[in-house]
Amino acid sequence: EPEVTQTPSHQVTQMGQEVILRCVPISNHLYFYWYRQILGQKVEFLVSFYNNEISEKSEIFDDQFSVERPDGSNFTLKIRSTKLEDSAMYFCASGGAGESTDTQYFGPGTRLTVL
Amino acid sequence: RKEVEQDPGPFNVPEGATVAFNCTYSNSASQSFFWYRQDCRKEPKLLMSVYSSGNEDGRFTAQLNRASQYISLLIRDSKLSDSATYLCVVKRFSGGYNKLIFGAGTRLAVHP
Repeated sequence: EPEVTQTPSHQVTQMGQEVILRCVPISNHLYFYWYRQILGQKVEFLVSFYNNEISEKSEIFDDQFSVERPDGSNFTLKIRSTKLEDSAMYFCASGGAGESTDTQYFGPGTRLTVL
Repeated sequence: RKEVEQDPGPFNVPEGATVAFNCTYSNSASQSFFWYRQDCRKEPKLLMSVYSSGNEDGRFTAQLNRASQYISLLIRDSKLSDSATYLCVVKRFSGGYNKLIFGAGTRLAVHP
């Protein structure tokens, strides 16, 4: 069964450093998403991406965040200058086309720890 | 007011019990509804979509009441493996695209 993959599984960084979280969505999917979950809190939408551009972003997704689909398979989330409060689990998700856009499939997540 | 609200939990039940989770949503523009399951420190996994007519998948039954903006999940004959956090999730149509809005989740612990 196809699945969304994410690397790394755990990233530790110093405050102020840049991090890039990587995702490989399901190959025939067209819609891509990033969500985050701070420990003990709910899953929160960050950004959606379609047709090589951001389609929607939340208030969390400020100028420190960017997304890119550099090639036909990868989808990345960059945080330019990390803050302590960026520590969270970051989930990538992808969705299909047509009636299957209803369902989003989540990757295993990257745990980001900012020190 | 939170857009998706769930029972706070945790629910501690013996194996074989029937347990019900409730959820309400505030945005009437919400289009689609789901229950996801999340194991500790893992990704959310789709358990089932929820349809207005109600739907069943084995031991799991989901119901939706659009007028009351209420969603439910019933688990019959609980198994130890059902122990997880159950997330009520709403999809909202926004500018031509869709995003998922998650509830905070209700934790279920099934004990022998």
